[in-house]
Amino acid sequence: GQQVMQIPQYQHVQEGEDFTTYCNSSTTLSNIQWYKQRPGGHPVFLIQLVKSGEVKKQKRLTFQFGEAKKNSSLHITATQTTDVGTYFCAGRGSTLGRLYFGRGTQLTVWP
Amino acid sequence: ETGVTQTPRHLVMGMTNKKSLKCEQHLGHNAMYWYKQSAKKPLELMFVYSLEERVENNSVPSRFSPECPNSSHLFLHLHTLQPEDSALYLCASSQEDTGSETQYFGPGTRLLVL
Repeated sequence: GQQVMQIPQYQHVQEGEDFTTYCNSSTTLSNIQWYKQRPGGHPVFLIQLVKSGEVKKQKRLTFQFGEAKKNSSLHITATQTTDVGTYFCAGRGSTLGRLYFGRGTQLTVWP
Repeated sequence: ETGVTQTPRHLVMGMTNKKSLKCEQHLGHNAMYWYKQSAKKPLELMFVYSLEERVENNSVPSRFSPECPNSSHLFLHLHTLQPEDSALYLCASSQEDTGSETQYFGPGTRLLVL
């Protein structure tokens, strides 16, 4: 069945360092979404990628969708304490298929 | 954010109690979801309702009983729960049939079973 694997599970960085989380699927995805959950909060949608090789940026966040549409990454440049939280990827196997969430990467940023 | 609301926000119950979690979405969506989030298995999809019909049940124990009386409301009825059911229960909604729908989550109900 559809599986979305996400690594690492935890990441601790010093403020100002970069951070990357990776998402891999066993099958080709029609699209992939990224969510952020702050401590004590709920997942909030960040972005969606649809096209092969697509790259999108939101300020210090860069999202990539692999050429084969089986993997994706989220890169944060120069982390800040406000970036703390858990980042989830969520992939869809087909256009009208169910969304499958990865386990998430919990980011801690030390000031 | 008030698009998806959940009550109660916190709940402590004994194993013999019966309680219900409520979710309401104000976004005009046609699909609603229940997720369980715990330290051991983050974001487990429990139930999916599309157009008020249950379309997915991911092998959830019968002590969890969902109800979707209309497209805006979703309930999760709880009875004879176990301590391992303690978790954050998240409700979400989306507009299906677009193929790229975003899921909007409620704040969750943090449940503790004693």
